Amino acid sequence: AQSVTQLDSQVPVFEEAPVELRCNYSSSVSVYLFWYVQYPNQGLQLLLKYLSGSTLVKGINGFEAEFNKSQTSFHLRKPSVHISDTAEYFCAVILAQGGSEKLVFGKGTKLTVNP
Amino acid sequence: EADIYQTPRYLVIGTGKKITLECSQTMGHDKMYWYQQDPGMELHLIHYSYGVNSTEKGDLSSESTVSRIRTEHFPLTLESARPSHTSQYLCASSESVHTEAFFGQGTRLTVV
Repeated sequence: AQSVTQLDSQVPVFEEAPVELRCNYSSSVSVYLFWYVQYPNQGLQLLLKYLSGSTLVKGINGFEAEFNKSQTSFHLRKPSVHISDTAEYFCAVILAQGGSEKLVFGKGTKLTVNP
Repeated sequence: EADIYQTPRYLVIGTGKKITLECSQTMGHDKMYWYQQDPGMELHLIHYSYGVNSTEKGDLSSESTVSRIRTEHFPLTLESARPSHTSQYLCASSESVHTEAFFGQGTRLTVV
């Protein structure tokens, strides 16, 4: 079973509109959750993370995410997007398996912000 | 700014050649990772390391090998490159599995 599922492969939005990028995780993984952003021809950069504590997590560039244990979700939101937010967004979890822990990624969501 | 470096950024090489992709970090992190990513696609974990002399294979089977002789260095080697190895290779490191992973800018490999 997929450890982390990003439900939308592409999300087009207009500038200044709100956006939500969806992420669901398998209940078999540990609840250490991350969102990363990848700009074209770049490596990945951490947007935010949930390790414990408050279920609403605020990150860089105005993004936030809410950990929902009952729905096993960790959706990423931004109330008003900019052109510069156009990028690929990856949800990631820590997968504990066979005595080891690994950082695994979803398939990514390509966010395109149009003027 | 992350102190993790990958060289080269771009590499075009002929089939059958041996290549080593370099990855170095100056943060003293124990955990290091190699991911393979095709353009616009997901990241696949191919190798990881918990520290010196510790290496494990990831989820995606890969013909590459890695070594971890020093904390700061985690090179990836392909003994005989093939066109199917054409991809982007991303290296990352973290202080622990539960903390932020810092990524290099990647090596885009093309095997002709």
